[in-house]
Amino acid sequence: KQEVTQIPAALSVPEGENLVLNCSFTDSAIYNLQWFRQDPGKGLTSLLLIQSSQREQTSGRLNASLDKSSGRSTLYIAASQPGDSATYLCAVSLGDDKIIFGKGTRLHILP
Amino acid sequence: EAGVVQSPRYKIIEKKQPVAFWCNPISGHNTLYWYRQNLGQGPELLIRYENEEAVDDSQLPKDRFSAERLKGVDSTLKIQPAELGDSAVYLCASSLERGSSTSGANVLTFGAGSRLTVL
Repeated sequence: KQEVTQIPAALSVPEGENLVLNCSFTDSAIYNLQWFRQDPGKGLTSLLLIQSSQREQTSGRLNASLDKSSGRSTLYIAASQPGDSATYLCAVSLGDDKIIFGKGTRLHILP
Repeated sequence: EAGVVQSPRYKIIEKKQPVAFWCNPISGHNTLYWYRQNLGQGPELLIRYENEEAVDDSQLPKDRFSAERLKGVDSTLKIQPAELGDSAVYLCASSLERGSSTSGANVLTFGAGSRLTVL
């Protein structure tokens, strides 16, 4: 059974710092991996999608990497801003079209 | 583009009452998902539709939950009767069919969710 784990569960960093969020999954047979952002009381917003054949994707200050063999993905946020404060979730898509989410990392950027 | 639209945004009911949620996906998205998200947890799939067909409802508690997607567009999720443990946010998402050559296939777009409180 595929399990998705995100560590840490919560993170506070000063504004301007670079940071890394971690996601691990138990079964490397994934179709793709997505990173989402969720603001309080809101739905999820897709940030980056990495296909299983790709190693990384970049969008602005965000960079997501994927290492299927080790079952890991990281989301790198450069030059963090208070507006980056949110919960970040990763989700893996399996061959049978199931999408499994982690519990998320609550990020707080200190002004 | 309006995005995925859900209603109501908030609903408070007493246990044993029925409740229904509505979702209008992005135009052209033939895959529709209903997720339930408990506080501090990631979303958990309840049911997935490909057009009007429910292709994965293995996690849907069928004794009290039902869903439909008539005509393969809008969808409703119903709970009858509601229990205290059903309090959660119910999220609808849509995507293009996997394997589509269109850029963005399989990227989920979520609605804002419907927050249910059962008293």
